[in-house]
Amino acid sequence: DTGVSQDPRHKITKRGQNVTFRCDPISEHNRLYWYRQTLGQGPEFLTYFQNEAQLEKSRLLSDRFSAERPKGSFSTLEIQRTEQGDSAMYLCASSYGTGGEGYTFGSGTRLTVV
Amino acid sequence: AQSVTQLDSHVSVSEGTPVLLRCNYSSSYSPSLFWYVQHPNKGLQLLLKYTSAATLVKGINGFEAEFKKSETSFHLTKPSAHMSDAAEYFCVVSPNFGNEKLTFGTGTRLTIIP
Repeated sequence: DTGVSQDPRHKITKRGQNVTFRCDPISEHNRLYWYRQTLGQGPEFLTYFQNEAQLEKSRLLSDRFSAERPKGSFSTLEIQRTEQGDSAMYLCASSYGTGGEGYTFGSGTRLTVV
Repeated sequence: AQSVTQLDSHVSVSEGTPVLLRCNYSSSYSPSLFWYVQHPNKGLQLLLKYTSAATLVKGINGFEAEFKKSETSFHLTKPSAHMSDAAEYFCVVSPNFGNEKLTFGTGTRLTIIP
């Protein structure tokens, strides 16, 4: 068990381009979460999956954002037509069951839109 | 609805002296409460959690927190600060009824003075 892995660690993109991030959770964890953290703030919830089903999406997740977890294992988060306001750290976390034991977070993907 | 207020954005203590990081919460339900730590360029690490068992919770690295329902507080303490404790600390609340979406505070940056 190598923990939660996120790829890439850093991404610099030009405004208007599409980007995709990947998260590999701990293998036995059935829940997977995406959070976004901007400078000086705590992480904010974006969306979560139980197995392959996306059960909740935050209003922060505009139509330009889409997340998938096709086989209930890894997940991808895609941002289309990136804007400078999308610059942030994107964090993935996983848990088993209801997560009352706390999540395991990945190290995040830092996105910079120029 | 749930929310977390971290009362200090920045705390500085001398090495070897006690640490107190303050957190107040608001929740419509009996919540789960967590403290996470984030070192620079690293993922969030769970320090400790309260899930309606003992009100005094012990965590890793000598940290502990006390759940006080009457004061809606969950302050984090450590008897003696170490240089390696310098990091950002987040108080986190979860509604604890199935959707374990976490709500983070804005964080407290802990600086240790040699």
